[in-house]
Amino acid sequence: GAVVSQHPSWVICKSGTSVKIECRSLDFQATTMFWYRQFPKQSLMLMATSNEGSKATYEQGVEKDKFLINHASLTLSTLTVTSAHPEDSSFYICSARQGVYQPQHFGDGTRLSIL
Amino acid sequence: QKEVEQNSGPLSVPEGAIASLNCTYSDRGSQSFFWYRQYSGKSPELIMFIYSNGDKEDGRFTAQLNKASQYVSLLIRDSQPSDSATYLCAAATGNQFYFGTGTSLTVIP
Repeated sequence: GAVVSQHPSWVICKSGTSVKIECRSLDFQATTMFWYRQFPKQSLMLMATSNEGSKATYEQGVEKDKFLINHASLTLSTLTVTSAHPEDSSFYICSARQGVYQPQHFGDGTRLSIL
Repeated sequence: QKEVEQNSGPLSVPEGAIASLNCTYSDRGSQSFFWYRQYSGKSPELIMFIYSNGDKEDGRFTAQLNKASQYVSLLIRDSQPSDSATYLCAAATGNQFYFGTGTSLTVIP
């Protein structure tokens, strides 16, 4: 149980392109979903937290106009990287949680490379 | 002060030994605690969670929680080379969820 599906796994695209990443909880309803970014050999960095039907809460320093998050249902959240540039290249990971004090369950991550 | 602190390591243990990973947290209101394992290039996976003081065992893994000391630990018995990974400790306080920066574990064959 508690499976989170994230896709695509890999994206390679040109600078200036917008990229959408989907995160789905397959066998549970996720009241909260999280988006992280991780650079090689560094810690997870929380980008934003989203609750179904509400606007996402972004961490300090994360541009909300660049990283658009939509949490349209209890099983789906999307992250859109708008006008991506090479410095946006990273490993993006989503997670979902069923309720307060419950564990986060992670997707497999999306490796984004901007040329 | 960080909400959750871990020794970054690296921690090296020989195969078959017990690996001990430690974590402290600052918010006494934290109610649930988690251990995740992250292999290089992969996303974290949940190993164990613990809510009550004391020990919780699952196979070769034992999580220990001491709320008075604000301390959580993970013991891995009979360590295997496949246990080599970064281990993340996390604490949940209401809607907030805090991760430590992780401890790198290497099990030497």
